[in-house]
Amino acid sequence: EAQVTQNPRYLITVTGKKLTVTCSQNMNHEYMSWYRQDPGLGLRQIYYSMNVEVTDKGDVPEGYKVSRKEKRNFPLILESPSPNQTSLYFCASTSTGTTGNTIYFGEGSWLTVV
Amino acid sequence: GDSVTQMEGPVTLSEEAFLTINCTYTATGYPSLFWYVQYPGEGLQLLLKATKADDKGSNKGFEATYRKETTSFHLEKGSVQVSDSAVYFCALNAGGTSYGKLTFGQGTILTVHP
Repeated sequence: EAQVTQNPRYLITVTGKKLTVTCSQNMNHEYMSWYRQDPGLGLRQIYYSMNVEVTDKGDVPEGYKVSRKEKRNFPLILESPSPNQTSLYFCASTSTGTTGNTIYFGEGSWLTVV
Repeated sequence: GDSVTQMEGPVTLSEEAFLTINCTYTATGYPSLFWYVQYPGEGLQLLLKATKADDKGSNKGFEATYRKETTSFHLEKGSVQVSDSAVYFCALNAGGTSYGKLTFGQGTILTVHP
């Protein structure tokens, strides 16, 4: 079964304490990305990766880092979280095909920074 | 840049009413268009998609037609149910070097009363 798995699903942390949200996909996709969802703003892309060791900024990259050492994994790193990073985060993985691209989402990670 | 605009919410309907959620977009080229649904406390699910002009996407009684001339992709359902209560997101994929990226509208909250 095609899956994008992210962990943790729920996390409360304190300002400044480094955290990592993991993401893994089992579909051998090259393109992966991270989004954050905020009320009234929809989802916005944070970072993306087009392949191993190839990453780039999305629309709202400030305060985040990513790495892509293996094709299946794309962790999101918050080096020094702040309250404005309280949000719902989604990892996504893209397949390409003759009928167009399909983006698969993980179940989301609720992050609260206090 | 690319953008998606959805009708302001929230939308409140009675069961069996007709639903329309408007979505218009701005993009260069020929994007693919999507509707995603997010049920309370859950992640994103792809509801339907259309990859070229005049295509109609449909699923679970929902429909949307890709109208290039009006740059629109309005979501419709003839008879809503309480179980359709959710947040609905319109999104586009511009393709090209952004083949893995979705640009989302702000989301429309739908509440259906018995």
